[in-house]
Amino acid sequence: DPKIIQKPKYLVAVTGSEKILICEQYLGHNAMYWYRQSAKKPLEFMFSYSYQKLMDNQTASSRFQPQSSKKNHLDLQITALKPDDSATYFCASSPQGGSQNTLYFGAGTRLSVL
Amino acid sequence: GQQVQQSPASLVLQEGENAELQCNFSTSLNSMQWFYQRPGGSLVSLFYNPSGTKHSGRLTSTTVIKERRSSLHISSSQTTDSGTYLCALYSNNRIFFGDGTQLVVKP
Repeated sequence: DPKIIQKPKYLVAVTGSEKILICEQYLGHNAMYWYRQSAKKPLEFMFSYSYQKLMDNQTASSRFQPQSSKKNHLDLQITALKPDDSATYFCASSPQGGSQNTLYFGAGTRLSVL
Repeated sequence: GQQVQQSPASLVLQEGENAELQCNFSTSLNSMQWFYQRPGGSLVSLFYNPSGTKHSGRLTSTTVIKERRSSLHISSSQTTDSGTYLCALYSNNRIFFGDGTQLVVKP
């Protein structure tokens, strides 16, 4: 019974389109994150949110916009999609933000941009 | 530069052999975590280990903060242990991942 739900599991998009990746966590955590994993690259931190507020942002592009409508939701909107955006996007959460908290991951959304 | 260095990059074992995976950090750490990534993608937390030694079944994690390293020992490996093992560094409110160790355990 997954406690961090990511939807969809697989997503195919055309270049230039816009997609939203969904993430909901039912662990009662206050911090949520997005990570990206491309082929042959380590997991790359993108965003961290704590109590629905942006805490940290490492992505270089404004085409990636997190959206938090509720404390347990952190969706990721990606606009003007490019083939280089193809990757698996992982949502994660922790009880609180900061360095003293275990990180839990969702199963990921595998995005392919054609 | 990369904050987290994992070694070896890949490892092939015969079932029953032991494995020692290493993680070295270039910056000071507040804590660290070991993950197992299944073929196909999802990550499973093995240990959250800020310091010292922790055990879970056939797995043992040892973190030595002042030496900026952590190790993961797998004893009596099984084919189901095959996959990628990732370590994550917690440092100054950021979390950095290594490239992982790809483990293959042959029957």
